[in-house]
Amino acid sequence: DIQMSQSPSSLFATVGDRGTITCRASQSIGRYLNWYQHKPGKAPKLLIYAASNLQSGVPSRFSGSGSGTDFTLTISSLQSEDFATYYCQQSYSTPYTFGQGTKVEIE
Amino acid sequence: QLQVQESGPGLVKSSETLSLTCTVSGDSFTSDSYWWGWIRQPPGRGLEWIGNVYYSGNTDYTPSLRSRVTISVDTSKTQFSLKLRSVTATDTAVYYCARGSYGYSYGYFDHWGQGALVTVSA
Repeated sequence: DIQMSQSPSSLFATVGDRGTITCRASQSIGRYLNWYQHKPGKAPKLLIYAASNLQSGVPSRFSGSGSGTDFTLTISSLQSEDFATYYCQQSYSTPYTFGQGTKVEIE
Repeated sequence: QLQVQESGPGLVKSSETLSLTCTVSGDSFTSDSYWWGWIRQPPGRGLEWIGNVYYSGNTDYTPSLRSRVTISVDTSKTQFSLKLRSVTATDTAVYYCARGSYGYSYGYFDHWGQGALVTVSA
């Protein structure tokens, strides 16, 4: 199985801050990397697919980069609605695997 | 607008079978552009992929659950289902169904249900 690890586990920030989350795969996965936002009691929401492609309807303050084993999700200016948990997921091969999550919290 | 919604018992006894159904509405269910998946989240933990069912009827399961899980599809009802046999307390989780799709040949889950909490009791 491909292991996915995210850092940090928690990110404390204020509105307007730039937020950066990294995701590392245990082997090269090309650009088969997706990012999701998850709020308690809600359906997870796709933000970025194929490492850097913004899903339709997602604000442009979200961006993704990387390939191979190292990936980054950046939120250019955190808004109040962005405080949530973020997961990366590889779709290079099954079993699909997720990172352990990064909780973005208000400082 | 596509909607996916999980349904099923919220409480299952240990050693019995967990059964959930995902109802899909608002978009083509039988297109070969999509597949359908189940993902779960145990309390306080992250997301775990369970398996997929494809347009062809083929399935793919995570190895740790393969001996106990079946995912099937009923196109006439635009539903797909999850059965997990011989459950234990470690199967307690919120279970999500989701649609898989492709963009530039890369796969992702683009529509998720709200989730269904299933608790396994002794």
